[in-house]
Amino acid sequence: DAKTTQPTSMDCAEGRAANLPCNHSTISGNEYVYWYRQIHSQGPQYIIHGLKNNETNEMASLIITEDRKSSTLILPHATLRDTAVYYCIVRTQNTGGFKTIFGAGTRLFVKA
Amino acid sequence: DAGVTQSPTHLIKTRGQQVTLRCSPKSGHDTVSWYQQALGQGPQFIFQYYEEEERQRGNFPDRFSGHQFPNYSSELNVNALLLGDSALYLCASSFLVWGGTYNEQFFGPGTRLTVL
Repeated sequence: DAKTTQPTSMDCAEGRAANLPCNHSTISGNEYVYWYRQIHSQGPQYIIHGLKNNETNEMASLIITEDRKSSTLILPHATLRDTAVYYCIVRTQNTGGFKTIFGAGTRLFVKA
Repeated sequence: DAGVTQSPTHLIKTRGQQVTLRCSPKSGHDTVSWYQQALGQGPQFIFQYYEEEERQRGNFPDRFSGHQFPNYSSELNVNALLLGDSALYLCASSFLVWGGTYNEQFFGPGTRLTVL
């Protein structure tokens, strides 16, 4: 089972910030938070990841609460092309490799 | 630089048949993972291959098997196909850093399997 819970869907106006929440209350100390997105009929695309600190890259920002039980992905200026399913994942790696367990994700609709 | 490639793009089979799907990882990657994605659901982890061995496995029956070749490419085999095996099959590659903290996965476009 996925270790994260996300809203089923969200709307955002084009040009505004999209804030996608994720709950991962059972996260353990060595698990990272990863975000991927999947645009219709394509494979998932990596967005960003983090452990404790907030992270920012050219695509998005990731805000992780101090207790690490939740996080928020921020798309600062959403465009129509950001319409996709966004997956929040927690994952660790042991000496035997790693698993990526996806939940149902949040379907983000960016509207003009 | 080619990313992750998968073949074929689409496939139609009948119940009871066997199918083989293929994946070539991104250049420089040594680890391949396979996922099954049913319509409207998130991808479900099938298994992961590294150094030609299955390293991790999800909750899939033995009908699902795989192989990794010395050039890091991989195959997914499904025997005795069921209607419920109809799905998008995704391959993802990464470079495994043992004890590392970050393993970005690059996904291929998938193979759409329809079982009639």
